Amino acid sequence: DQQVKQNSPSLSVQEGRISILNCDYTNSMFDYFLWYKKYPAEGPTFLISISSIKDKNEDGRFTVFLNKSAKHLSLHIVPSQPGDSAVYFCAASTETNFGNEKLTFGTGTRLTIIP
Amino acid sequence: EAGVTQFPSHSVIEKGQTVTLRCDPISGHDNLYWYRRVMGKEIKFLLHFVKESKQDESGMPNNRFLAERTGGTYSTLKVQPAELEDSGVYFCASSQDVLTSFWTGGSYEQYFGPGTRLTVT
Repeated sequence: DQQVKQNSPSLSVQEGRISILNCDYTNSMFDYFLWYKKYPAEGPTFLISISSIKDKNEDGRFTVFLNKSAKHLSLHIVPSQPGDSAVYFCAASTETNFGNEKLTFGTGTRLTIIP
Repeated sequence: EAGVTQFPSHSVIEKGQTVTLRCDPISGHDNLYWYRRVMGKEIKFLLHFVKESKQDESGMPNNRFLAERTGGTYSTLKVQPAELEDSGVYFCASSQDVLTSFWTGGSYEQYFGPGTRLTVT
């Protein structure tokens, strides 16, 4: 049973516009959420994270929103740039022990930025 | 600072053979994780080392998989004997201890290696 779901396998966005990637989770024990970006033949690279005590976290062009009641998070990229073309993975973990916990990933969304 | 490295980058073996994957974490990272991505699906957790101890091995699929981290530095993941369904990309990740990161101001996020693509024919 998949606990983290990314229902859109792909997304195409015009350069300069906003990219919105979505993620849903089912496990209510998750309290820390992350987005990773992956280029071909490379490992995932950490992008941005959010703790369940917040509903928004911003870092430059990237903003993650968390809606705990809906068990939904989204990643906004604005403005989108050609270098943003990659596969984006949503991930979640529990920080109940305030330690380094395993990550549960979604299946990824391939974002293509059209010049 | 060198990142997480994995060797080999690609391995092709026949069903029934043995393969050993190696991961060198970032220096000073006590936490080391193994993950696997099969057929473009989600990246799945296999196990977690803290130094040389197995903290969590709940994701290991069966006893054909053996992971070690002698001395708390590099780690190996051995598959013996390999089956067709073991094909996929095996990622290693490492992270700093959370408390250490607070003291040093560093990040405790997981840093991933480039992966080893394993093909079992």
